[in-house]
Amino acid sequence: AQKVTQAQTEISVVEKEDVTLDCVYETRDTTYYLFWYKQPPSGELVFLIRRNSFDEQNEISGRYSWNFQKSTSSFNFTITASQVVDSAVYFCALSEPLGGAQKLVFGQGTRLTINP
Amino acid sequence: NAGVTQTPKFRVLKTGQSMTLLCAQDMNHEYMYWYRQDPGMGLRLIHYSVGEGTTAKGEVPDGYNVSRLKKQNFLLGLESAAPSQTSVYFCASTKPLGQVGSNEQFFGPGTRLTVL
Repeated sequence: AQKVTQAQTEISVVEKEDVTLDCVYETRDTTYYLFWYKQPPSGELVFLIRRNSFDEQNEISGRYSWNFQKSTSSFNFTITASQVVDSAVYFCALSEPLGGAQKLVFGQGTRLTINP
Repeated sequence: NAGVTQTPKFRVLKTGQSMTLLCAQDMNHEYMYWYRQDPGMGLRLIHYSVGEGTTAKGEVPDGYNVSRLKKQNFLLGLESAAPSQTSVYFCASTKPLGQVGSNEQFFGPGTRLTVL
């Protein structure tokens, strides 16, 4: 079965530091999707990125960047010059076929605290 | 478009009481899902539906029932609430597999349920 591991339970850094959140996944599927979601203190899930298994290009969006490495089954997320507003729980997720649908398998989440 | 909405946002129940959580989406999505999120864990799939009138069990279905009488609505029922069902419940919807964007799940804002 699919599995997602986020080994870092909590990370605390000072504002403006760079921080990387690790995500390692397990799957037997050849086609799959990886996701990152942000859950701020307000509780909603905010979609950050989707990456399919055939696209190993790294992606950058402002201060956010993602490093997908199929060889190590990792999909790490880096925040550059972190800000207090980045404080949240971040989830990595992997798609899993489910009959005619797809479910998301989530990691345990990493609680990121950015201190001023 | 409102996207995915959930009713209610908060609820407190006593053990043994019943209740229904409502999920509604206005994106004409075929697939809908119910997840639960417990402290320190990612989301886990309770039940899902691939279309009106169809439902199926997910990873943690015990103690819940669901119904999909209308395409836009997906109801989650607790017949006899237990303290172990204290959680945050998220609904999600997606397009069918094969359609552009079918791998992205749109999440509702969540319902925080406490069972005393």
